[in-house]
Amino acid sequence: SAVISQKPSRDICQRGTSLTIQCQVDSQVTMMFWYRQQPGQSLTLIATANQGSEATYESGFVIDKFPISRPNLTFSTLTVSNMSPEDSSIYLCSVVWGGEQYFGPGTRLTVT
Amino acid sequence: KNQVEQSPQSLIILEGKNCTLQCNYTVSPFSNLRWYKQDTGRGPVSLTIMTFSENTKSNGRYTATLDADTKQSSLHITASQLSDSASYICVVPSGGSYIPTFGRGTSLIVHP
Repeated sequence: SAVISQKPSRDICQRGTSLTIQCQVDSQVTMMFWYRQQPGQSLTLIATANQGSEATYESGFVIDKFPISRPNLTFSTLTVSNMSPEDSSIYLCSVVWGGEQYFGPGTRLTVT
Repeated sequence: KNQVEQSPQSLIILEGKNCTLQCNYTVSPFSNLRWYKQDTGRGPVSLTIMTFSENTKSNGRYTATLDADTKQSSLHITASQLSDSASYICVVPSGGSYIPTFGRGTSLIVHP
C-alpha cells in the first residue's frame, strides 16, 4: 500500500491570502492527483501532477489559482491563491499505486 | 456523460442493525467499481474493488455486490457498529482513463 501524508491538516485563512498544501508519499509514483471536496459534494479532480512537467488541470481550474509543484516522485504541493470563502473545502492528495487509488488524510481549509 | 448516483443520501440506524447502500452508474467503458469509507476529517479508504466478473465480495462485515447488466452495486453492512459512522463513496474508473467518477456518498450514522 501507499501511505500519504498532508500538511497542514487544517487551516483558517483570511480572504485574499494564499495557502500551500504539502503532500508526501512513501513510494515513488508517476502521477499525483489533487482533489477538492466541498461540503456535501463528491470529490472533484483539480489537476494531475507529473514529475518534471507542468500539471494538467481539469475544466474549471487554472494554474494561476491553483499552482502545483512536483519536484520529485514522492512529493507535491498545491497552492490555493487569492482565497475567497468559496475556496473553503477539503483538499485531498491522491496516488494510484499497485492498481489501487490511495488518498491522503486531507486538508480542511476555511476561508473567512 | 459518466455518472455515479448513490442512495440514500443519508441514513441513520441503530447499533447492531444491518443496512444496504446503493450505487448506480453509467460509466463506460466499465473496468471496476470501488467502495470507499471516509471518516469525518479523513481521506477515503478503500473497502473493496469489484471487477466485471465479480458478483459478490466481502470484507469483514462489509459485502459488496455488482450487477454489471443493470449497472448497479450495493454495499451491505452487517451488525453495524458505532465506528461504521462515516461517508461511503462509490467510485467507478472509466476503462482507459485514470480519472474516476465519484458518487456523492451516503452519510451513515450509527446510534447506540
